[in-house]
This record gives sequence, C-alpha cells and structure tokens, in this order.
Amino acid sequence: DAGVIQSPRHEVTEMGQEVTLRCKPISGHDYLFWYRQTMMRGLELLIYFNNNVPIDDSGMPEDRFSAKMPNASFSTLKIQPSEPRDSAVYFCASSSNLGTEAFFGQGTRLTVV
Amino acid sequence: GDSVTQMEGPVTLSEEAFLTINCTYTATGYPSLFWYVQYPGEGLQLLLKATKADDKGSNKGFEATYRKETTSFHLEKGSVQVSDSAVYFCALSETGRRALTFGSGTRLQVQP
Repeated sequence: DAGVIQSPRHEVTEMGQEVTLRCKPISGHDYLFWYRQTMMRGLELLIYFNNNVPIDDSGMPEDRFSAKMPNASFSTLKIQPSEPRDSAVYFCASSSNLGTEAFFGQGTRLTVV
Repeated sequence: GDSVTQMEGPVTLSEEAFLTINCTYTATGYPSLFWYVQYPGEGLQLLLKATKADDKGSNKGFEATYRKETTSFHLEKGSVQVSDSAVYFCALSETGRRALTFGSGTRLQVQP
C-alpha cells in the first residue's frame, strides 16, 4: 500500500483566501484523523472520522475550518478565509479497526502570508 | 482530560551512548501507549507500542515498558547512532477513543 497520501505537500496562500487540503487514507482503514503541528502548540487533533462520519470535531479552531469525508478513500480540510495564524503543518492519519496505531501522511506545510 | 508529559529537549548524545527519554501520562482508563518518531520534513512513524500494563514494546533497538504504577512509558536505547537523530513523541490512546494525545516531543541529536 502507498500509505496515507496528502496533497499538496506545500501551500503558500494570501490571507483571506480559501485553502483546501486533501487526504487519501490507507485502503480498508476505518478511521481518519486530521492533526495540526505548530512550534507553539505541538500536535493537536482537529477532527476525526469513523466510517466517514465525524466523531469528534472539538479541536477544530473555529468556523473558518471545516472537514468532510465524502467516501472511504478521500477527505478534505478547508480553511475559509485563511489567516496567518493558520500557518502550520497539517497531518492526516488513518487507522483500522483491528489495530490501535495510526499511520501518518507526509503532511501539508501551509504558509499564509 | 488525558495528557502526556515528556522531558524537554534537545537531548544531545555521542554515538553509542545510552538513551532515555522520559514520558509520563494522565488518563482516566487504561490507555494504549505509543512512541512515534519524526525525521526532518517527514510525517510521524510508529516506533513501538504497548497496549496493557507491563507490556514491553520494542523496535530497532528501542524499548519502552508500560508501567501502570508510575504511569510512565520511558523510551530507551542501549547504543544510539547518528541516524537516530529525530524528534520523538510519546502518545496515548484512551480506551474507546481512537484519537491520539501527544506529548510535546523531544528532539534527539546524536553526534559522531
């Protein structure tokens, strides 16, 4: 399997623009997670899905952030409008029902200027 | 809520030195415990895990034992290599909740 695939790897955008991050989980995995990594706050869980249904979105910072999982092989994280404080590395991860560990993608480095 | 506390870094060692990175946790139930490693510019990779008390996880010469009595999961390696230089994250997954709670990470620098 190719692992968790995220795109783009790098994104630079201007403040106020819409940003969409994409994730393809490992085939057969039932759980999908979005994390954000910053120097100040470390790794934070934003939201996670089970069988395409959002289970916990309490980590989503505010209404500017939204996440969807229209099917088992694709998820998006959207920021609209983006702000400089959203600059971070965003990771997608997936796991199966059979194991407790999560497998991470390479991340998307977002810079909002 | 759940939390994970790791020792501050960076930890700087010479090649072949002994490594210990301390990790303690707070959880309401009986979590699974993990160590992940992050190399520069990459995502997190699972290094090892333990799912119940007294379990020892091991991989690539690294070990950690789940100590319920001290709520700890310290990472050890007998002889580090330059290639072990990375950031190490301790994490837990609470029973019934699949999301991971991470510590702040500890940067390890191994010098030749």
